[in-house]
Amino acid sequence: DGGITQSPKYLFRKEGQNVTLSCEQNLNHDAMYWYRQDPGQGLRLIYYSQIVNDFQKGDIAEGYSVSREKKESFPLTVTSAQKNPTAFYLCASSSDRDPYGYTFGSGTRLTVV
Amino acid sequence: AQKVTQAQTEISVVEKEDVTLDCVYETRDTTYYLFWYKQPPSGELVFLIRRNSFDEQNEISGRYSWNFQKSTSSFNFTITASQVVDSAVYFCALSEGRGGTSYGKLTFGQGTILTVHP
Repeated sequence: DGGITQSPKYLFRKEGQNVTLSCEQNLNHDAMYWYRQDPGQGLRLIYYSQIVNDFQKGDIAEGYSVSREKKESFPLTVTSAQKNPTAFYLCASSSDRDPYGYTFGSGTRLTVV
Repeated sequence: AQKVTQAQTEISVVEKEDVTLDCVYETRDTTYYLFWYKQPPSGELVFLIRRNSFDEQNEISGRYSWNFQKSTSSFNFTITASQVVDSAVYFCALSEGRGGTSYGKLTFGQGTILTVHP
């Protein structure tokens, strides 16, 4: 079955360390997205990519970086510049062919310890 | 810029009550898509409905119904005869149309926490 795989489900990071969250899709979707969720604040867009080797900043890109070297993969790096990284991170992809428009992963919960 | 407002932060009802979740949106696009998602405690987003800007027909799916009114930029969601299993966070979202049926960025509302008591 096609879908989006996010790994790991839970991640712990020490302050000052970079960490990379994985997002892989086998849906052949062109566009991919990263969202951050904090309690009471809904989901906010971090970065998005409409095609391979191209990506754009979302509303809260500071302290994050991404790459899109392959259509299937859109990893998100949370850098030490991100002052408050503890949050729930959701990856998504979209395509005209998707009956739901967007498909979401199951999320990664990042905690800074 | 797009914006989605869900004015109700939390709603608490007793089982079998009807409940309406409000959603108001702002966009300059003439082509756009509106969505509702359910997020149970496990965190994944469950798709409920998608509506494009040219289709103002209301929709009913079992106990769920949606009222789309372009004139007031609203896309409200009603659960009839609520059940404990309906307890979750519900998000309304707006996607810009990139031409044709292509999807762009998805902008979410703050979410409404619905608690249904037995």
